[in-house]
Amino acid sequence: DTGVSQNPRHKITKRGQNVTFRCDPISEHNRLYWYRQTLGQGPEFLTYFQNEAQLEKSRLLSDRFSAERPKGSFSTLEIQRTEQGDSAMYLCASSFEPSSGANVLTFGAGSRLTVL
Amino acid sequence: SQQGEEDPQALSIQEGENATMNCSYKTSINNLQWYRQNSGRGLVHLILIRSNEREKHSGRLRVTLDTSKKSSSLLITASRAADTASYFCATGNGGATNKLIFGTGTLLAVQP
Repeated sequence: DTGVSQNPRHKITKRGQNVTFRCDPISEHNRLYWYRQTLGQGPEFLTYFQNEAQLEKSRLLSDRFSAERPKGSFSTLEIQRTEQGDSAMYLCASSFEPSSGANVLTFGAGSRLTVL
Repeated sequence: SQQGEEDPQALSIQEGENATMNCSYKTSINNLQWYRQNSGRGLVHLILIRSNEREKHSGRLRVTLDTSKKSSSLLITASRAADTASYFCATGNGGATNKLIFGTGTLLAVQP
């Protein structure tokens, strides 16, 4: 297991199209997070899964966004009817259940979306 | 949304010099972490400091935390060109999701 894997690394799409990103976390990690990062900014939290359950969604996650984590393994993030404002880097991170309250995240390399 | 801001937004130094970055945050925290991001890549965890700690060291890194001022600093000593990257602080409140909230980042350029 070489870490958190994200695919595709780059996606260019036309406005109005649907896109899907996949994240394969570290196999022992039960926690999975999606973040969005725009140029010059820090990552912004989108959603969190514990095993297969989606336990928190940010207000940033509009109705056009949906995330799943079937069987608590890989996760997908789908964006429907993409808009130019969706252009960003989408980062996936995973972690162990923290035993001491401190949650250290392992990030993937990200999926960069460009909406034309 | 971002938890807080980092200062400076950008920093350029010569190899061998020390680099100091500051982070301010808004709410109570359980721990504060620093991450590094090379251009176009994911983030890599550097160091963690808990709310009951005041200073932590790891190699060339030194982190301080002042919970009364809601601020932290990251010092990189004897910088190298390979330290060129963006550095982000992230706060955790130990809540149910234990999500981290990231700052806006400092872009560090180390000139050889």
